Amino acid sequence: EDQVTQSPEALRLQEGESSSLNCSYTVSGLRGLFWYRQDPGKGPEFLFTLYSAGEEKEKERLKATLTKKESFLHITAPKPEDSATYLCAVQPQYNFNKFYFGSGTKLNVKP
Amino acid sequence: NAGVTQTPKFRVLKTGQSMTLLCAQDMNHEYMYWYRQDPGMGLRLIHYSVGEGTTAKGEVPDGYNVSRLKKQNFLLGLESAAPSQTSVYFCASSYRPGQNTGELFFGEGSRLTVL
Repeated sequence: EDQVTQSPEALRLQEGESSSLNCSYTVSGLRGLFWYRQDPGKGPEFLFTLYSAGEEKEKERLKATLTKKESFLHITAPKPEDSATYLCAVQPQYNFNKFYFGSGTKLNVKP
Repeated sequence: NAGVTQTPKFRVLKTGQSMTLLCAQDMNHEYMYWYRQDPGMGLRLIHYSVGEGTTAKGEVPDGYNVSRLKKQNFLLGLESAAPSQTSVYFCASSYRPGQNTGELFFGEGSRLTVL
């Protein structure tokens, strides 16, 4: 069964305290793994797509990496404005129309 | 550029009532989706469409119907609302797989409460 698990469910950091969010997945052939950011009361906003193990993408203080079984979203020296829920989703090779989402990690960065 | 627009943003229904959620996108995307988001469960696909006049079932289609009469619009209908359909509903659209980076573009959500 295709499945996406994110950990931790919630993470509290002090401003400047770097950390990582985990997304582990089981899927019958991965076409792409996606990271989104979701602010309260808003829809998810796209951050990165990763297609193959070893691939890395960066955007400001965020860096996403991918292995055959999991992805990490590394947050370097976070700021309060990085507070949000981060969602991971996988798109299987056998059906490009289906994205399986994890339940997210709620990040709170304190000043 | 509006992107993906959902109406209404909030709605309260009584059990057994019907309603329609409207999604409109102005990016000329072929693909459109309806998801529901419940606490601790992540986004789950209800129905999707790969083009005007087409629809298909997702993971949790029961109790919902959809229509895609125009390329830019995707409607989600609840024929007889149940309390289990209390949720936040998100519409999304995308290019065809293989175009661009493949991501979904989401609306801001429609919060539905069924009493």
